[in-house]
Amino acid sequence: GENVEQHPSTLSVQEGDSAVIKCTYSDSASNYFPWYKQELGKGPQLIIDIRSNVGEKKDQRIAVTLNKTAKHFSLHITETQPEDSAVYFCAAMIKAAGNKLTFGGGTRVLVKP
Amino acid sequence: GAVVSQHPSWVICKSGTSVKIECRSLDFQATTMFWYRQFPKQSLMLMATSNEGSKATYEQGVEKDKFLINHASLTLSTLTVTSAHPEDSSFYICSARQNRLNEQFFGPGTRLTVL
Repeated sequence: GENVEQHPSTLSVQEGDSAVIKCTYSDSASNYFPWYKQELGKGPQLIIDIRSNVGEKKDQRIAVTLNKTAKHFSLHITETQPEDSAVYFCAAMIKAAGNKLTFGGGTRVLVKP
Repeated sequence: GAVVSQHPSWVICKSGTSVKIECRSLDFQATTMFWYRQFPKQSLMLMATSNEGSKATYEQGVEKDKFLINHASLTLSTLTVTSAHPEDSSFYICSARQNRLNEQFFGPGTRLTVL
């Protein structure tokens, strides 16, 4: 089955700096890659996603890049703010395989004011 | 749009009792819903896929007789933890997939504590 690895597990940045989280996946059939933000005691919230036919997608301060050949994708957060502090999860899905998401281990991001 | 609710948000029960958790898609229909379990400081682990009108599909290692899933309508799935034990204490999260789309939208989670 699919295996998703996520790095780093923790990330501390100064407010205003950029944060980058990287994920690799094992199954080349994966074709949908969402990113979720989870605040303490809450469910994950979809913040951005990318499909396998696209290499990059941006939404304001958040961007995601996908390298299908290398089987890795990354989340970039620019101009970080204290409210960006949370746990971020990447995931991969094979659309033809029941639309099941496989999650990475998560990255705890702390933005220091 | 795309709001998923869960009820209750937290529950404390005695060992040996059963607990039912509801997952509702409030503004869209979801043929498929998913149930996850999350232990502290860990990632989400898929327990089962809930399909409206048919039996749920369980992931390897998840006891189907212990975690009963019923997807009675296009907007409601329930997870019943039967004969709960302290090791079942966890954060249970559901998600609903909008029909014909890839996106899954997650509920706020239910924290179960079994004494």
